[in-house]
Amino acid sequence: DSGVTQTPKHLITATGQRVTLRCSPRSGDLSVYWYQQSLDQGLQFLIQYYNGEERAKGNILERFSAQQFPDLHSELNLSSLELGDSALYFCASSAKGGVGEKLFFGSGTQLSVL
Amino acid sequence: GQQVMQIPQYQHVQEGEDFTTYCNSSTTLSNIQWYKQRPGGHPVFLIQLVKSGEVKKQKRLTFQFGEAKKNSSLHITATQTTDVGTYFCAGMDSSYKLIFGSGTRLLVRP
Repeated sequence: DSGVTQTPKHLITATGQRVTLRCSPRSGDLSVYWYQQSLDQGLQFLIQYYNGEERAKGNILERFSAQQFPDLHSELNLSSLELGDSALYFCASSAKGGVGEKLFFGSGTQLSVL
Repeated sequence: GQQVMQIPQYQHVQEGEDFTTYCNSSTTLSNIQWYKQRPGGHPVFLIQLVKSGEVKKQKRLTFQFGEAKKNSSLHITATQTTDVGTYFCAGMDSSYKLIFGSGTRLLVRP
């Protein structure tokens, strides 16, 4: 168990809908990362937060947004969903989000857009 | 932006054979990390290399960081069925993005 909690584990929805994925980092970790993993694909970096502030941004679509709350949990919002958004979404956390820190990954949320 | 490439994409070996995956970055890395993702699981941190030319071993796994700090390799000696999974390298760029390689999926025939 990595200590990172993601909910829900599975999500099935329809095109055009909006969903929210939730992540609680390991106790004491201040930085949260979001990654997208499509079938048989690598891990695509979406966004990183540190102590409530956005620190780094990847190729995150405008339809996607995220935030990190004062209690350090994070949410990834996906709107106007398309079939191609179906993927496994991972959240990871690290102590301070600095160079050289290892990431602890949650078990992921499997999103299926029908 | 920074790109991290891994080869091969897939490797199917007989149990007992060796396995190597290679990672190449388009830019110099301050460090490189390796993760393993078992089928149906999430990535798990294996190791980090920091110094130019660094070599680290974990039992049957040997990790190397290139002299120019732009490439790395993971070698597994005498693979076992428990080694099955996808191995990712990852490097952090100057803007704090931890970029993962495309991964090498290892399949082991018992």
